[in-house]
Amino acid sequence: GAGVSQSPSNKVTEKGKDVELRCDPISGHTALYWYRQSLGQGLEFLIYFQGNSAPDKSGLPSDRFSAERTGGSVSTLTIQRTQQEDSAVYLCASSLTSAGRTEAFFGQGTRLTVV
Amino acid sequence: SQQGEEDPQALSIQEGENATMNCSYKTSINNLQWYRQNSGRGLVHLILIRSNEREKHSGRLRVTLDTSKKSSSLLITASRAADTASYFCATDVAGGADGLTFGKGTHLIIQP
Repeated sequence: GAGVSQSPSNKVTEKGKDVELRCDPISGHTALYWYRQSLGQGLEFLIYFQGNSAPDKSGLPSDRFSAERTGGSVSTLTIQRTQQEDSAVYLCASSLTSAGRTEAFFGQGTRLTVV
Repeated sequence: SQQGEEDPQALSIQEGENATMNCSYKTSINNLQWYRQNSGRGLVHLILIRSNEREKHSGRLRVTLDTSKKSSSLLITASRAADTASYFCATDVAGGADGLTFGKGTHLIIQP
C-alpha cells in the first residue's frame, strides 16, 4: 500500500555521465508522469505513459533524455551525457486512470546535481 | 507546454486571514486540479473540479471554476502557519494526450 517511490532520492554525477532514475508507481495505476522542477520554478512536463505506451513525448528536452515503462509498472528515466543544466528535481507521479481524470500521486523526487 | 498560470507568484498574509490564488489556462479542459508542495519535493493533491462544476469545497478550501473565462481560484480560509507552501493548478487538455500540465505556482507565506 505504499505510495509512489522514486530512487535514488539524491544523485550527484559528473558532467558527461549517464544517469538512470527510477519510479515505482502505485500498484494498479495506469497513468505515469515524469516532471522536472528547477529551483523555485514550476513543474516542466517531460513525458506521460498510459500503460506501457507513451502518447506524449513532446516534453523531453533533448534526445539525451529517454524513458521507458515495462509491464505497466516501473518506469525509468535515462539522461545520457548529463549537462549542468540537467540539474533539477525529477518528479514522478501516477494516477488510477488517464491524464487529469483522477488525482495524481507524487513521489518525493530525485534531486539530480551535475557537477 | 505550460497550460496554467497562477497569480500572484507570491503572497504573504497574516495568520487567520484568507488567501486567494488564481489560475488561468488556455485551452478547453476536462478537469482542473489544485496541488500543494512543501519544500520543493512531492506534491499533494488538494481538490479536483470538473469542467461542469462551478464551485467545490473541501474543509477550509474553496475552489471556483469559470470555463468561460478559463480561470479558477483557490481560497484558503482562516489561514494557518502550516499552510505556508507553493500551490499549483494543473489541467488536462480536453481531447488531448498531453498528460497533466502544471502552472508555475503561487508561493504562499503565512506570517504568524
